[in-house]
Amino acid sequence: DAGVIQSPRHEVTEMGQEVTLRCKPISGHDYLFWYRQTMMRGLELLIYFNNNVPIDDSGMPEDRFSAKMPNASFSTLKIQPSEPRDSAVYFCASSSGQGLEQFFGPGTRLTVL
Amino acid sequence: EDQVTQSPEALRLQEGESSSLNCSYTVSGLRGLFWYRQDPGKGPEFLFTLYSAGEEKEKERLKATLTKKESFLHITAPKPEDSATYLCAVQTSGSARQLTFGSGTQLTVLP
Repeated sequence: DAGVIQSPRHEVTEMGQEVTLRCKPISGHDYLFWYRQTMMRGLELLIYFNNNVPIDDSGMPEDRFSAKMPNASFSTLKIQPSEPRDSAVYFCASSSGQGLEQFFGPGTRLTVL
Repeated sequence: EDQVTQSPEALRLQEGESSSLNCSYTVSGLRGLFWYRQDPGKGPEFLFTLYSAGEEKEKERLKATLTKKESFLHITAPKPEDSATYLCAVQTSGSARQLTFGSGTQLTVLP
């Protein structure tokens, strides 16, 4: 039973470049969440979707960040242009409509030089 | 504003030395309190959900309890493989599906 899948696992890029992070939720889950984790701020919710529709994006730090969910099995988080302060681990999580629990992927470690 | 505070920040135990981690919360309308375990370089792993005061859940050496103001994660006779960061999160009736996480307790169990 596959869990949440994220790619790439590691990304190193230079300031100003576009970065795209990818997520495949658990099959049958209709909620998808994007989080960012840093030492200073811990785990923060960026945005979440229900049935592919963005519900709350109030955690998205600024217009450089965007997220899409074109279908039930795929979502992207894009940063354009990237900045060094975006360096963090980005997690995707999913949950079903019946349960409140969220199940996390392995994360993408982003380093912006 | 919902607040979740975990203590201690770090805890070192000898193998077999039982202890408890604390998660205190200030929220309006708790829907659920969640415990996760996070190993270095990995995503948080779901452990427990607690819904109401007085509820308890157990899994191997771990037992989670909930009161109206806090939750405890009791670790009985820990082993080195229990070493990890333990995260607490809350979901409230006014926050839809959002989780608010505490900063975690880093547990080290020495052999």
